Amino acid sequence: DTGVSQDPRHKITKRGQNVTFRCDPISEHNRLYWYRQTLGQGPEFLTYFQNEAQLEKSRLLSDRFSAERPKGSFSTLEIQRTEQGDSAMYLCASSTGTGGINEKLFFGSGTQLSVL
Amino acid sequence: SQELEQSPQSLIVQEGKNLTINCTSSKTLYGLYWYKQKYGEGLIFLMMLQKGGEEKSHEKITAKLDEKKQQSSLHITASQPSHAGIYLCGADKFGSQTGANNLFFGTGTRLTVIP
Repeated sequence: DTGVSQDPRHKITKRGQNVTFRCDPISEHNRLYWYRQTLGQGPEFLTYFQNEAQLEKSRLLSDRFSAERPKGSFSTLEIQRTEQGDSAMYLCASSTGTGGINEKLFFGSGTQLSVL
Repeated sequence: SQELEQSPQSLIVQEGKNLTINCTSSKTLYGLYWYKQKYGEGLIFLMMLQKGGEEKSHEKITAKLDEKKQQSSLHITASQPSHAGIYLCGADKFGSQTGANNLFFGTGTRLTVIP
């Protein structure tokens, strides 16, 4: 399978615990995006990487959230001291990085986080 | 801030019927994307529109962008159960510092097709 893959698919955690999600983009894609989607809403942009550089972060990304893409390939998103409001689907997407309006984002199946 | 409004929020149709979903922007769109999402899954790219008056079709799905580039419609002809899902319109965030496609999305239209 050469699509964007995310792990785990589901995560249930207790409030206050730390969680980490992984995203493996399509292999030749330079750009990697993280989005968050709550029930009944569209996805909201969190952050984006061009290779290993994190170039843009949304206001939604509080200091409890950190994302990395150390070698410009897979990425991790960590949430520290989880809160119930963090419960959401976390989506990863990748794109070729050629830029411009014609660039398509390919999404993974997401990680569904439930904070109890 | 720019927002995307989708209508209707949900739609239930009989198999074989045609339907239309609308996406309206408060500002001029610089790129309009349509995605489909199965419940609890990721997004599947359908079509991208850029030019005013542009129309694209794929199988039984047609998407249009109006001349003013503030409204798009997605039309499904002879709907099938496989068309069921959540349809999301997304737009390019013009003015992004890096020029990346950090899209913002509408709230989606949930389509149910009854066999």
